[in-house]
Amino acid sequence: EIVLMQSPATLSVSPGERATLSCRASQSVSSNVAWYQQKPGQAPRLLIHGAFTRATGIPDRFSGSGSGTEFTLTISSLQSEDFAVYYCQQYHQWLTFGGGTKVEIK
Amino acid sequence: EVQLVESGGGLVQPGGSLRLSCVASGFTFSYYEMNWVRQAPGKGLEWLSFISNSGTIFYADSVKGRFTISRDNAKNSLYLQMDSLRAEDTAVYYCARDLLVGATAPYYFDQWGQGTLVTVSS
Repeated sequence: EIVLMQSPATLSVSPGERATLSCRASQSVSSNVAWYQQKPGQAPRLLIHGAFTRATGIPDRFSGSGSGTEFTLTISSLQSEDFAVYYCQQYHQWLTFGGGTKVEIK
Repeated sequence: EVQLVESGGGLVQPGGSLRLSCVASGFTFSYYEMNWVRQAPGKGLEWLSFISNSGTIFYADSVKGRFTISRDNAKNSLYLQMDSLRAEDTAVYYCARDLLVGATAPYYFDQWGQGTLVTVSS
């Protein structure tokens, strides 16, 4: 099973600042990575697939990068609605999720 | 508007069974691959099962042999029959639509239901 490790577990950021979230795979997953946002009491929301392709309706302040084993989700200027938990997911070999990064207000 | 609405959750004793349903609307259900994903309280996401538009089925090892996914395209519905339930199956269960039509395996999910809570406890 491919294991995804997300870091940091918690990221404290001020509104308007940039947030950089990391996801490392235990083996290469090519570009087969998606990112989701989840707010308390809500279902996850697809942000990025194919490592860097934004899903429909996702603002361009969200960007994804990486390939192989190292992936990054960047939120260029955090808005109040962006404080949430973010999960990476690989679909290269079956499907697994990372443990999540909580982005909280500093 | 695309909607997925789960139902059927509740409290069940260890070893018991439960059947979850997910009713879809706002899109042509029969075209899409569908999945079940769960989230234990305060924990991360775990993919459980996939069913293609043609009936190809896959399961995660954690539920293989205990859970059964099915669909009824005439009723725009997805199901998850859960047997031999354990305390560690306690979670919110989501149905989720695969973005890629015609996929032969689970990919990534663009539509999710609101979830239904299953609690396994004596």
